[in-house]
Amino acid sequence: SAVISQKPSRDICQRGTSLTIQCQVDSQVTMMFWYRQQPGQSLTLIATANQGSEATYESGFVIDKFPISRPNLTFSTLTVSNMSPEDSSIYLCSVETEYNEQFFGPGTRLTVL
Amino acid sequence: GQNIDQPTEMTATEGAIVQINCTYQTSGFNGLFWYQQHAGEAPTFLSYNVLDGLEEKGRFSSFLSRSKGYSYPLLKELQMKDSASYLCAVREVFYNQGGKLIFGQGTELSVKP
Repeated sequence: SAVISQKPSRDICQRGTSLTIQCQVDSQVTMMFWYRQQPGQSLTLIATANQGSEATYESGFVIDKFPISRPNLTFSTLTVSNMSPEDSSIYLCSVETEYNEQFFGPGTRLTVL
Repeated sequence: GQNIDQPTEMTATEGAIVQINCTYQTSGFNGLFWYQQHAGEAPTFLSYNVLDGLEEKGRFSSFLSRSKGYSYPLLKELQMKDSASYLCAVREVFYNQGGKLIFGQGTELSVKP
């Protein structure tokens, strides 16, 4: 497995501001992903964070709203821009190992007022 | 299109065996995951099945039938701490982009004394 950390673990933000979430893994991984889990819902993939190139976004998610960086094979950031209360969710990063197993970080609980 | 179905909730008795069914219809299928998620926590990896059949790991087993689009975990000797949401997720791979996960809505399992 992989050990994954996220910062911050939770935050309360004002409408219209932006928050950057960091994801760090203890080993080099090819694939990193960002998911969102809205209250009472299952997980939805936001994007695949590609190292050295632009992230690949899923339908309904755009780069202007959720810019992603992936400067190396152990680190990625997700920014939630121009936040509204509808962005209140848990944001999770995941990594895929060489055996195609996927493990999740502890998540970032975001509340937008 | 993608369709992953699992029951919304189940109840079982401590010490019993429970089976949680998941049916799926997706393209680009490349394996099926089961995760356990306790309230307020991130999903925890339970299993990853690529080939048909039953894989056993202690109290937990997972079954996959690719031809029928069907999977289930078997939890034996249920304990109160097994009360959680169980998430079924299909791994899809397209054009060597790596495995993104499509999640079902989750099954909330309640274990009663």
